[in-house]
Amino acid sequence: DVKVTQSSRYLVKRTGEKVFLECVQDMDHENMFWYRQDPGLGLRLIYFSYDVKMKEKGDIPEGYSVSREKKERFSLILESASTNQTSMYLCASSVQGSYEQYFGPGTRLTVT
Amino acid sequence: QKEVEQNSGPLSVPEGAIASLNCTYSDRGSQSFFWYRQYSGKSPELIMFIYSNGDKEDGRFTAQLNKASQYVSLLIRDSQPSDSATYLCAVGGGGNKLTFGTGTQLKVEL
Repeated sequence: DVKVTQSSRYLVKRTGEKVFLECVQDMDHENMFWYRQDPGLGLRLIYFSYDVKMKEKGDIPEGYSVSREKKERFSLILESASTNQTSMYLCASSVQGSYEQYFGPGTRLTVT
Repeated sequence: QKEVEQNSGPLSVPEGAIASLNCTYSDRGSQSFFWYRQYSGKSPELIMFIYSNGDKEDGRFTAQLNKASQYVSLLIRDSQPSDSATYLCAVGGGGNKLTFGTGTQLKVEL
């Protein structure tokens, strides 16, 4: 089974803090994705990566950056957290050439 | 902008009935279609995918695709209370990315 893990289930940070969310997958998947999920807005793609050191912007990249130094690890960085970044953050991975994405458990981030 | 539309619900069905969940999409070039189940507070779980027109059955689940009408549906037979969840429709059209609908909440009542 594909296993995608995320560093924290719940996180509380203060406005202006730098926040790191980490995602690790153990199935040698090439593609990794970061989404946020908000009530009524569904899943929105923030960034994705097709390979190590490669990244592409999704639909809502503003205020976020990412890092992929190793194939199994994809990090989402909030450079200066703001209250409107309070959300559920979901990481997913897939095999190159496939649309089947598998999700991690999610991190519920609260910015106060 | 690619769009995937779902009725937010809640859709309420009695236990043992057939639940029918529907989804429409805007991009005619879409190639792959997925249904995810998401329990409250949990992450989405892939339950079905379909690539060709017609029906695909897996246990109590049947996915139906009509590319001409840009319509995909999920039927759940013999609905159980454990099926109560939000069902997300997702459509793939390019670059291995998925576009998700906002989900339909299903409630299976005893």
